[in-house]
Amino acid sequence: DAGVIQSPRHEVTEMGQEVTLRCKPISGHNSLFWYRQTMMRGLELLIYFNNNVPIDDSGMPEDRFSAKMPNASFSTLKIQPSEPRDSAVYFCASNYNYGYTFGSGTRLTVV
Amino acid sequence: AQSVTQPDIHITVSEGASLELRCNYSYGATPYLFWYVQSPGQGLQLLLKYFSGDTLVQGIKGFEAEFKRSQSSFNLRKPSVHWSDAAEYFCSGGSNYKLTFGKGTLLTVNP
Repeated sequence: DAGVIQSPRHEVTEMGQEVTLRCKPISGHNSLFWYRQTMMRGLELLIYFNNNVPIDDSGMPEDRFSAKMPNASFSTLKIQPSEPRDSAVYFCASNYNYGYTFGSGTRLTVV
Repeated sequence: AQSVTQPDIHITVSEGASLELRCNYSYGATPYLFWYVQSPGQGLQLLLKYFSGDTLVQGIKGFEAEFKRSQSSFNLRKPSVHWSDAAEYFCSGGSNYKLTFGKGTLLTVNP
């Protein structure tokens, strides 16, 4: 089992550009989460999918953020347009029966 | 509001010494409780989890945690710390799918 796979590991982009983060959950896990980690705010839940359906997106900071899960093996988190304050580490996690597994994260830097 | 608090931002111990990391939770009912460890540049790895039953939970890497309802605590312990245990530790809790994380405790291990 390769675990939760996120790409890219690092992303540096200019303010105003579109950024797409990708996640492949563990096969058989029916829930997927996107978290953001910053020094100031710690780990924040952005959005939660269950069986590919978005259940709770109350943590998505604003309309510039969107997430999709077109199938059970793939999810994206998109930021358009990106801003310097979006710089953070973004984690994807998948879960089955409270066995949460986190990916290694994408470190996003917006300059 | 549901919350998890880790009172100690940074703890330093000597290798071979015992360790206790504190975690307090605030939930209406008994939440599911977890401890995660994060090494630099890595994702979060699950150490142990508590759902119900025996209040002393054994985890990986020689860690254990004890759930104390009267104190609303779920402290993490290890009898003898190894240099490789240096990392950041996160306590988290959830009453449904939503995990709330503490701010983390950074553990430094002196030789």
